Amino acid sequence: GAGVSQSPSNKVTEKGKDVELRCDPISGHTALYWYRQSLGQGLEFLIYFQGNSAPDKSGLPSDRFSAERTGGSVSTLTIQRTQQEDSAVYLCASSLYSGARKAFFGQGTRLTVV
Amino acid sequence: DAKTTQPPSMDCAEGRAANLPCNHSTISGNEYVYWYRQIHSQGPQYIIHGLKNNETNEMASLIITEDRKSSTLILPHATLRDTAVYYCIVRVEDNSKLTFGKGITLSVRP
Repeated sequence: GAGVSQSPSNKVTEKGKDVELRCDPISGHTALYWYRQSLGQGLEFLIYFQGNSAPDKSGLPSDRFSAERTGGSVSTLTIQRTQQEDSAVYLCASSLYSGARKAFFGQGTRLTVV
Repeated sequence: DAKTTQPPSMDCAEGRAANLPCNHSTISGNEYVYWYRQIHSQGPQYIIHGLKNNETNEMASLIITEDRKSSTLILPHATLRDTAVYYCIVRVEDNSKLTFGKGITLSVRP
């Protein structure tokens, strides 16, 4: 596609439920990143994938958060046993390679845990 | 662990130049200065980056001081659509992580 696509755009879930957020990066981009942005806050790095290398998971806030990237393309961010503090906009970005100067961001998924 | 400091907000009149300052006094020799912006309800958008020379593209100009401890992003003719949060980031080029601070909120008034 023309840009980074994220789905769903909005998700409301009950506390304790698991959610999956999807990211389709720009075709041919080997690097993929996940960020989280809580209301009124800056962007918090979560995880990044680069080709076949082990992902950098250093930003994941707890073991309830996990992500995978299948076939070097689509990525899924999974949050287990959601809590209210998980409510945020989750942003995905991709770039041609890990050191590429431009990262292209999707529109984000707004997650609300009630 | 912020590596950049920016004022929280500023405004400018439509059609005038917007000069957005950023301090990065601890920048290392191999770190670039990047600017991204985030318009309300959208993902961040790359604007420009530089190492030590001034840079210009279709969106903006980046002026980096000779000691590289500060920089200024210039939007030469601000429009209402430039109202956004602007993030100044320092980054080693081969380090994939972009670490965002709180940025500066630019409000362009009619």
